[in-house]
Order: sequence, then C-alpha cells, then structure tokens
Amino acid sequence: EVRLVESGGGLVKPGGSLRVSCEASGFTFSDFNMNWVRRAPGRGLEWVSSITSSGSDVFYADSVKGRFTISRDVAKNSLYLHMNSLRVEDTAVYYCAREGLSGYYPEFWGQGTLLSVSS
Amino acid sequence: QLVVTQSPSASASLGASVTLTCTLSSGHSDYVIAWHHQQPEKGPRYLMKVYSNGSHRKGDGIPDRFSGSSSGAERYLIISSLQSEDEGDFYCQTWGTGIQVFGGGTTLTVL
Repeated sequence: EVRLVESGGGLVKPGGSLRVSCEASGFTFSDFNMNWVRRAPGRGLEWVSSITSSGSDVFYADSVKGRFTISRDVAKNSLYLHMNSLRVEDTAVYYCAREGLSGYYPEFWGQGTLLSVSS
Repeated sequence: QLVVTQSPSASASLGASVTLTCTLSSGHSDYVIAWHHQQPEKGPRYLMKVYSNGSHRKGDGIPDRFSGSSSGAERYLIISSLQSEDEGDFYCQTWGTGIQVFGGGTTLTVL
C-alpha cells in the first residue's frame, strides 16, 4: 500500500523559513517523480513543485520560484520542501504526491501538513 | 497558456447521475487530463485520466460508477448512483513541459 506522510508544518512569521517533509512507503521511492501541491484556505489546489525520480530535474510554480527548493533523499525514502522568504499568501495545507508512471499527474496523495504564515 | 476551466459548483440528488466538465484552453484540446476528488478535511484522491479520444483509465479501487469521456476540448467526469460520500471538491489537472495546472475545482453537493 502506497503511503505518504507529511510533517513539519507550523506557524511562521512573514519572511521566515520552514522545511516540510514527506515520508514515503509501499513503493520503490527512486522509481517515481514526486510533487508538492498546496491548498490555501478558501481556494483550490495549486501545484507547487516537482522533482524527477533521479532528482536531476526540478520544477517550480512561478509563485514560489526562487524561494522554495524541492529535494529528495532516497536513503530515507523522503521528499522535502525548503521554504524561504515566506509570505502570508503561502499559508496552505501542503500535500505530498507521487506521480503516475505515464504522465505528470499525482496518482497518490498524502493527508497534508498545514503551514500558517502570520505575524 | 495552458489553462483548465471548471464550473465552481454542481448538485444532484442521491442516487442520480451528474456530469462534471473540464475545458482545456485553446490550442490544447488534445491534452490528457486527470480528475481528483477531495472530500472535506481529507487529502485528495486520484480518480482517473481522460484522453482526447474519450477513453479513460481509473486509479486503484475507483468504483465502476465513475467514468470519463471527452469531446473536443472538454473532458468529462460522470458519476452515477450518487452517494453521500461523493460530496466534495473535484479537480481536473493537466500538465505541460515542467508544469502542472489545476482547474479551480467544482464543489459537488449531493441533495
């Protein structure tokens, strides 16, 4: 059974930093691209970032480019999102997702971790 | 620009059928899309991919009463025999080079 468990969310002041993590199990982590997707209060899902199975290529939404960094640790079966220069509008539940094998779409999702950015 | 558009809300009675629509932007009518469902206070769940030729491929454990189809730039999610647990937000999603795009979501109410 594929399982994705996010952690690390919390309350951060504007301009601050935070790292959220996703521990993966139930599949060969190194075989799949991984995503971060977020949902802000009262809004819909927004793709944030993706990383290829090897970690060699990363992609970001314009809204986070230059501030967020996605990474993965195969030894720990873990996905990370390092977030710097946080803004109030980054407040959201952050979901980890595993892509499918054919196409760039989330096939399995975690339950999410909440980031609140507020002074 | 790659965009997918959805109606913000839909409603149907318990046991009835409903069709949700996702429209691809101009020049992207041949793109594959994926449908995802998010129940209140839960993580999203992948439902299926819908191809431009109208075929679809469902995720693990998705019931037979969920199906997909296509016409031109429109991709459909058809849910029959509606149940209370079908309430929630439905998102269509597609992808291009280095990006993924989600629609704004359709909130389904089961009456």
